[in-house]
Amino acid sequence: GQSLEQPSEVTAVEGAIVQINCTYQTSGFYGLSWYQQHDGGAPTFLSYNALDGLEETGRFSSFLSRSDSYGYLLLQELQMKDSASYFCAVLNNAGNMLTFGGGTRLMVKP
Amino acid sequence: NAGVTQTPKFQVLKTGQSMTLQCAQDMNHEYMSWYRQDPGMGLRLIHYSVGAGITDQGEVPNGYNVSRSTTEDFPLRLLSAAPSQTSVYFCASSLGLAADTQYFGPGTRLTVL
Repeated sequence: GQSLEQPSEVTAVEGAIVQINCTYQTSGFYGLSWYQQHDGGAPTFLSYNALDGLEETGRFSSFLSRSDSYGYLLLQELQMKDSASYFCAVLNNAGNMLTFGGGTRLMVKP
Repeated sequence: NAGVTQTPKFQVLKTGQSMTLQCAQDMNHEYMSWYRQDPGMGLRLIHYSVGAGITDQGEVPNGYNVSRSTTEDFPLRLLSAAPSQTSVYFCASSLGLAADTQYFGPGTRLTVL
């Protein structure tokens, strides 16, 4: 099976940088995805890492270390609209099933 | 291009009732899936399909059935509703397998009394 751990809540101020960590234990691993979900909304895709290293998309970056079973999402130049829940999700080695973590609630304060 | 649509948006059922949650996508995506999200929790995979005529179980399939007769539609059936099935249900689709960007529908909020 798969299990993922991420902090339940993170608070940061506008303009700051925040890192949301995700550690996982899996019986098979293909890649790590990150999704954002605003209250009452649907999840939206942020990034996907299949290989070790950093992927950058605008203000958001995602990192993966397969040997450490660890990844993180880095949000720079935080804005109030970034207040949301962020989920890491592990893709199994067949590439056909995503297992989501419990989510990290990010609160951005002025 | 409507993306992924789900109906209904809200539903209240009594224990033992059955119903079908509808999901449709107009992006010609092969992969479709159903998740449930309980309050303050992550999403859990119920069933998925890699193409028309092919379905498989996810992490929490008990009490739910699916079928995929067309590429566009992927309905989820609750056979005999139980209070434990009170949740928000999301349908998602992607071009290929789950490695691709998943596009989620707006969700169905289901309450079982």
